[in-house]
Amino acid sequence: DAGVTQSPTHLIKTRGQQVTLRCSPKSGHDTVSWYQQALGQGPQFIFQYYEEEERQRGNFPDRFSGHQFPNYSSELNVNALLLGDSALYLCASSLATGTGTPKTQYFGPGTRLLVL
Amino acid sequence: QKEVEQDPGPLSVPEGAIVSLNCTYSNSAFQYFMWYRQYSRKGPELLMYTYSSGNKEDGRFTAQVDKSSKYISLFIRDSQPSDSATYLCAMKGGGSYIPTFGRGTSLIVHP
Repeated sequence: DAGVTQSPTHLIKTRGQQVTLRCSPKSGHDTVSWYQQALGQGPQFIFQYYEEEERQRGNFPDRFSGHQFPNYSSELNVNALLLGDSALYLCASSLATGTGTPKTQYFGPGTRLLVL
Repeated sequence: QKEVEQDPGPLSVPEGAIVSLNCTYSNSAFQYFMWYRQYSRKGPELLMYTYSSGNKEDGRFTAQVDKSSKYISLFIRDSQPSDSATYLCAMKGGGSYIPTFGRGTSLIVHP
């Protein structure tokens, strides 16, 4: 059973460019959350997608947008990249009808983005 | 003041030592208290969680929650070099999937 997968593993962009990161949830999961983890910091919640709609959003600007596909996979898009967007971007999946206990959310390995 | 405070370390201990990792928090609505382990260049992995107050033991790991003091701890007994990682505390309310993380403590266990 494949866990949460993310692509690419790492990439380098320049300021002002746009980037798309991808996530495939754990088999059987239908909800995807995205987090940004800056170096030396804990993950910060960006947003969560369920039934192809953004269900919750953290304190991130509109430059950060996402999408969820019918197969539950998800994309994170970041426009007009800033140096401060350099971070590890984590995807986590869960089941909407789950009990809500922490065990039901699984993290992927992340995509490391460097903005020059 | 951040909702969750965690000393970033690094904390360096010899193999076999007992390790104590701690977090404080300010939000009384938190009900689940979690500890994640994150190896370099990997995603966080849930080690254990506690609901409300009390202790929970799993092998060499013990989690403690003191809601009156808004203080949680993770103890690692007989620490091993393979325990070297960043340990993140996280907390959330009962109805939410969204945890609030501390910044993580870097632990180094040297042989």
